Amino acid sequence: TQLLEQSPQFLSIQEGENLTVYCNSSSVFSSLQWYRQEPGEGPVLLVTVVTGGEVKKLKRLTFQFGDARKDSSLHITAAQTGDTGLYLCAGGDNYGQNFVFGPGTRLSVLP
Amino acid sequence: GAVVSQHPSRVICKSGTSVKIECRSLDFQATTMFWYRQFPKQSLMLMATSNEGSKATYEQGVEKDKFLINHASLTLSTLTVTSAHPEDSSFYICSAVDEKLFFGSGTQLSVL
Repeated sequence: TQLLEQSPQFLSIQEGENLTVYCNSSSVFSSLQWYRQEPGEGPVLLVTVVTGGEVKKLKRLTFQFGDARKDSSLHITAAQTGDTGLYLCAGGDNYGQNFVFGPGTRLSVLP
Repeated sequence: GAVVSQHPSRVICKSGTSVKIECRSLDFQATTMFWYRQFPKQSLMLMATSNEGSKATYEQGVEKDKFLINHASLTLSTLTVTSAHPEDSSFYICSAVDEKLFFGSGTQLSVL
């Protein structure tokens, strides 16, 4: 059974600080996706990484896929209150049909 | 990106009634859709995989007769919560695959 772990589970920081959240597994994934979910809404896709060692940047967010495609990290620079939410990672298989979700990191950015 | 529409966004019903939630892929065909349940401040819990033209695959512990799933077309899957009780109150979310996984906006079910 493929499992994804995320750390930390909860994170509360001040606006302007930097942070990194992690997504780890003992399994290899063909792709890995990061989502952000706000209360009362569905998750919104932030990025998909598919190549080992790949780094993608989305404004203040930097995503990295581990060389072995078993882990990923999300780094946020100069966090803003609008970054508050539940960050989920999901690993996909070769067929792009089966996804395994991590338990999420709940981020609170305080003004 | 692809769009998944989920309706209704919020429903309040009396105990014992049935509630249907619709999940539509608006600009792509989805042979597979997924249904999740989410409790407050927790992550997504996969309930079942909905397969177009065949029976849904339920996760362990999810009652098939309680949560009826129908995937009659390539763009529509429905989840019916039958004889709903207060413990069924939750946030239900669907998703569909179009190379990547896209989510509906969720349905908040409150059973009185």
